[in-house]
Amino acid sequence: EDQVTQSPEALRLQEGESSSLNCSYTVSGLRGLFWYRQDPGKGPEFLFTLYSAGEEKEKERLKATLTKKESFLHITAPKPEDSATYLCAVRSWDSGAGSYQLTFGKGTKLSVIP
Amino acid sequence: DAMVIQNPRYQVTQFGKPVTLSCSQTLNHNVMYWYQQKSSQAPKLLFHYYDKDFNNEADTPDNFQSRRPNTSFCFLDIRSPGLGDAAMYLCATSSGQGGTLGANSPLHFGNGTRLTVT
Repeated sequence: EDQVTQSPEALRLQEGESSSLNCSYTVSGLRGLFWYRQDPGKGPEFLFTLYSAGEEKEKERLKATLTKKESFLHITAPKPEDSATYLCAVRSWDSGAGSYQLTFGKGTKLSVIP
Repeated sequence: DAMVIQNPRYQVTQFGKPVTLSCSQTLNHNVMYWYQQKSSQAPKLLFHYYDKDFNNEADTPDNFQSRRPNTSFCFLDIRSPGLGDAAMYLCATSSGQGGTLGANSPLHFGNGTRLTVT
């Protein structure tokens, strides 16, 4: 069974204090790793897709990287408006079912303090 | 802007009283999904439609049903809500290229319906 684990569960940062969120996974046949941002009371908002080890994507203060076992979401000089829960999801091919599967992690709740 | 819209944003129902949540999309995506998300938990897939083909997850209770009358709309029916069904219900779409949960298509989510069961 595919597993996705995100750490830490919660992270408090001072404004400007850079850090990284982790998403580790065990899947058979990775077909993409997705990062989403979820604000309280709202649906997840798509950020990035990564497909292969070594790939990197950037958007403003966020940078996502991928290895064969995990992905990192690096946040550089965060601002209070970056406060949200960040979800990681892994898509894999289930040969038994003959279909793709998408497994979400529980998320990391990021709080950026002014 | 193309989007996924869920109504209502908040729904309160009584124990055992049927409730329907709705989702519409202007993205013209052929795949629509319903997820259940409880506090601090990962979204849990209930079922999805690939065009008109309905796909139920094995562990989705029979209490949950869905309808997709056309490409743009999808409904989640909870026939007899229990206290444990209180959650955020998220609708999502994808283009479905390469099959369900398509090879290169991320999911686009609505803002959810927060269901309270009293």
